[in-house]
Amino acid sequence: DGGITQSPKYLFRKEGQNVTLSCEQNLNHDAMYWYRQDPGQGLRLIYYSQIVNDFQKGDIAEGYSVSREKKESFPLTVTSAQKNPTAFYLCATQTGPNGYTFGSGTRLTVV
Amino acid sequence: DQQVKQNSPSLSVQEGRISILNCDYTNSMFDYFLWYKKYPAEGPTFLISISSIKDKNEDGRFTVFLNKSAKHLSLHIVPSQPGDSAVYFCAASKRGNNRLAFGKGNQVVVIP
Repeated sequence: DGGITQSPKYLFRKEGQNVTLSCEQNLNHDAMYWYRQDPGQGLRLIYYSQIVNDFQKGDIAEGYSVSREKKESFPLTVTSAQKNPTAFYLCATQTGPNGYTFGSGTRLTVV
Repeated sequence: DQQVKQNSPSLSVQEGRISILNCDYTNSMFDYFLWYKKYPAEGPTFLISISSIKDKNEDGRFTVFLNKSAKHLSLHIVPSQPGDSAVYFCAASKRGNNRLAFGKGNQVVVIP
């Protein structure tokens, strides 16, 4: 059963902590993306990776970091430098020339 | 700068009637357009797409119309069903660039 698995579904972070959101795919897709959704803001691109061991900043990369050591995995770390991390985070892969498949998302809340 | 714009953030429609969602774009290099549907606490799912060489694409109850000269596209859902209640995102891409530019989304509520 191919797809994208994001974990955890819900995550709570204390002020000043770093947290890592997991994104795993078994679709054998090269390109992977991280988006953030806020109410009224739509989907904003954080980071993306076209191939293993390579990644680029998106539109709102400040306070985030990523790695792409394996094709299947593209974890996102939300660092303490991210001032407003409470949001819904979505991971996606490039399905074809012009489409994405999304994971089910992780809701991050700062407490 | 928002390259894909969706105004009228929310729409309420009676079941069985038509829902029309609008999307405008500013980048004339965009040549492929997609609509995604998203339920709360879930990832968006692909709904329908259209290439710039066409002006209409239809898939069951969903039709997308593209007006290149106006840089405008619309999604028609007819007849609307309660299960269509969701947020709909318009997205666009240009040849040779894998990144999709998304609009802010439209909330659709279908009233039974």
